[in-house]
Amino acid sequence: GENVEQHPSTLSVQEGDSAVIKCTYSDSASNYFPWYKQELGKRPQLIIDIRSNVGEKKDQRIAVTLNKTAKHFSLHITETQPEDSAVYFCAVPSPPGSNTGKLIFGQGTTLQVKP
Amino acid sequence: DTGVSQNPRHKITKRGQNVTFRCDPISEHNRLYWYRQTLGQGPEFLTYFQNEAQLEKSRLLSDRFSAERPKGSFSTLEIQRTEQGDSAMYLCASSLGQGDEQFFGPGTRLTVL
Repeated sequence: GENVEQHPSTLSVQEGDSAVIKCTYSDSASNYFPWYKQELGKRPQLIIDIRSNVGEKKDQRIAVTLNKTAKHFSLHITETQPEDSAVYFCAVPSPPGSNTGKLIFGQGTTLQVKP
Repeated sequence: DTGVSQNPRHKITKRGQNVTFRCDPISEHNRLYWYRQTLGQGPEFLTYFQNEAQLEKSRLLSDRFSAERPKGSFSTLEIQRTEQGDSAMYLCASSLGQGDEQFFGPGTRLTVL
């Protein structure tokens, strides 16, 4: 089955700096790559996603890049703010190649933005 | 509130008891998913429904677990003879259909003593 590895597990940055979180996946047929943000005690919320027909997608301070050859995708947060502090999860649908069914989540990255 | 709702939000039970959780998806969402999340981990898939049909169950879902979505709207997840290892956050999510964003509920936190 699909395997998702997420790094780093923790990330601490100064306010205003950039943060990058990377996920690798195992099945080259995967074609949908969402990122979820989960604040302490709250539900996971989709912040950005990308489909395999594009290499990059931006939404204000957040961007996701996809390298299908290397089978990895990354979340980029620029000009970080304290409210960006949360746990971030990448996910890949399973079975790969379908935009359907269950999501396989990475292990999560705890981002701390220091004021 | 038109988001996904779950009840109860917290449940404390003794080992061996049965518990039932409810999920109300966003109306018109055909797909409903159950995930389990333990501390420091990402959500793990348990099962999902397309309307009232349960299409897939994870191997994590032992025979003590059962889920239903009788009318294709709300869903229930029942755990029989709870064990301490069942302690976790149980998350429900719904989506409009295939390939659409999954919206999560606030979860039910289960503690088995």
